[in-house]
Amino acid sequence: GENVEQHPSTLSVQEGDSAVIKCTYSDSASNYFPWYKQELGKRPQLIIDIRSNVGEKKDQRIAVTLNKTAKHFSLHITETQPEDSAVYFCAPRTNNAGNMLTFGGGTRLMVKP
Amino acid sequence: DAGVIQSPRHEVTEMGQEVTLRCKPISGHDYLFWYRQTMMRGLELLIYFNNNVPIDDSGMPEDRFSAKMPNASFSTLKIQPSEPRDSAVYFCASSFRKAYGYTFGSGTRLTVV
Repeated sequence: GENVEQHPSTLSVQEGDSAVIKCTYSDSASNYFPWYKQELGKRPQLIIDIRSNVGEKKDQRIAVTLNKTAKHFSLHITETQPEDSAVYFCAPRTNNAGNMLTFGGGTRLMVKP
Repeated sequence: DAGVIQSPRHEVTEMGQEVTLRCKPISGHDYLFWYRQTMMRGLELLIYFNNNVPIDDSGMPEDRFSAKMPNASFSTLKIQPSEPRDSAVYFCASSFRKAYGYTFGSGTRLTVV
């Protein structure tokens, strides 16, 4: 099955700084790469995703970049705000695995005001 | 749309009792997933359905766990008998086809004492 690792496991930044979280996966057949945000006590919510035929996607302050050769993709958050504090999960999907997402262990982002 | 609806939100039960968790997916979604979240193990996929048919139940911990989807708008996850190590947040999620991400419900926080 897919082996997914996220780094770092915790990240503390000052408000206004940028944050980058990296996700490494093992299956070269993976073709869908989403990021989920989970605030304390809430449900995971999809914040951005990218497919294998695209190298980068942006949505306001967040962006995802994909390097299929190296088998990793990253979440970039610019101009961080306290409300960005949450746990972020990557969850790549392999076409061979039906519709199953494999979630990484999560990265806890803390934005200090 | 009201989103994915789970009930109950909280459940406290005694060891050995039967527990039933319920989920109503988003209308029109053809995939339904049951996840369990704990601090130690993160987000684990238990089982998922496509068009009401179980596709992969390899994540179901043991025979004490069972899941059904009698129709497109309802699914249950049952634990019988429950044990303290089953304490976790159980999330239901649904998606439309394989091209899109998941929408999670608010979760059921289960405590077995």
